[in-house]
Amino acid sequence: QSVLTQPPSVSGAPGQRVTISCTGTSSNFGAGYDVHWYQQLPGAAPKLLMYNNNRRPSGVPDRFSGSRSGTSASLAITGLQPADEADYYCQSYDTGLRGSVFGGGTKLTVL
Amino acid sequence: QFTLKESGPTQVKPSQTLTLTCSVSGFSLSSQGVGVGWFRQPPGKALEWLALIYWDDDKRYTPSLKSRLTVTEDTSKNQVVLTMTNMEPVDTGTYYCARLYGASDNWYDPWGQGTLVTVSP
Repeated sequence: QSVLTQPPSVSGAPGQRVTISCTGTSSNFGAGYDVHWYQQLPGAAPKLLMYNNNRRPSGVPDRFSGSRSGTSASLAITGLQPADEADYYCQSYDTGLRGSVFGGGTKLTVL
Repeated sequence: QFTLKESGPTQVKPSQTLTLTCSVSGFSLSSQGVGVGWFRQPPGKALEWLALIYWDDDKRYTPSLKSRLTVTEDTSKNQVVLTMTNMEPVDTGTYYCARLYGASDNWYDPWGQGTLVTVSP
């Protein structure tokens, strides 16, 4: 059971927009800690996709955007491409556990 | 350019101790603000944070595994070592290390390629 809650899967056709939600609690998002997102392509290591809610590392296209409000966060992907097919994980800091926590991951399928 | 690479045994027997090494390059483990985290991912399952070590040797562990984990660093070799005692088949998975960013809102970038560890008799 992951501390952060994500939908197991989402899907969309090429060119469409999808969102992936991430629900936290009062000890992580509710305590003011930011959300970070990782993309994990099949058979590869996780790659940082978004940090501090909505900041993109160099090289991440602006088709990816993020937000956080209260105890919820979301990642939006516009102009879906087949190359976006991957698992996506949200992550934050938890004051109760005094460490990092992850969501259960969301598998994005591009139809 | 920062890189990290995990190394260690690919298979251990139940009850044995696992020792993994994370070799880093492009940054110094003794530089202020630097940290390295360890994570694991069972086959087909989610990522799990295990431990974190900071430049000043401050260490943090996930509560559920704290009694089994030890993280240390060798700044002269630019390596971070994770040991996990009393390994069980449920500990099978890919183990990753990654560089820490952020003072409190910790995020991790980049990640090592990961090393698959199988626990079986």
